[in-house]
Amino acid sequence: SQQGEEDPQALSIQEGENATMNCSYKTSINNLQWYRQNSGRGLVHLILIRSNEREKHSGRLRVTLDTSKKSSSLLITASRAADTASYFCATEPPAGTALIFGKGTTLSVSS
Amino acid sequence: DTGVSQDPRHKITKRGQNVTFRCDPISEHNRLYWYRQTLGQGPEFLTYFQNEAQLEKSRLLSDRFSAERPKGSFSTLEIQRTEQGDSAMYLCASSFGVANFYGYTFGSGTRLTVV
Repeated sequence: SQQGEEDPQALSIQEGENATMNCSYKTSINNLQWYRQNSGRGLVHLILIRSNEREKHSGRLRVTLDTSKKSSSLLITASRAADTASYFCATEPPAGTALIFGKGTTLSVSS
Repeated sequence: DTGVSQDPRHKITKRGQNVTFRCDPISEHNRLYWYRQTLGQGPEFLTYFQNEAQLEKSRLLSDRFSAERPKGSFSTLEIQRTEQGDSAMYLCASSFGVANFYGYTFGSGTRLTVV
């Protein structure tokens, strides 16, 4: 089953622009994580935000979490062509069992 | 340690055949996960191990699927009597405990095509 729903499903922007992806989920969580997947490859962990945190930064990434709305957003600033990939949010249930992934947002950055 | 390794990278098999995939996690990681991913979808959870114990199995894991992690090291995922619907990317990941800052480390996956 998939808990997260990313929005939009696809996003096309120009290099230098910011990209914002949203994730909504249904049940309580320990933490929410974002992963990137280049075509045909495995996923790469980007950032983790715990349920008691509201915002986190890592380089050009900014993640927010609103547990009252059960939603998160990932902002990539000053995007580059190399950011072209699929981005997935994943939630960890309170029992600490395996991550549940959403369907992903496909980001295309053109130069 | 070069990360999570999966073997083979690609597997083409005829319907009805059995296949086995192998995953070698990062040696310090005590948790190992199997996911399945079809085109345009996110990874779907199959099963996970903590050390050698299989702690959870998804409803997706029918009785044709079996996974092992002997001695808490590498893991194998076997699919018996493969069906065309089993065609997918099978992803393995490992982690050290839960709520870990570094999240999961994924392998590059095994792409299965059932013809």
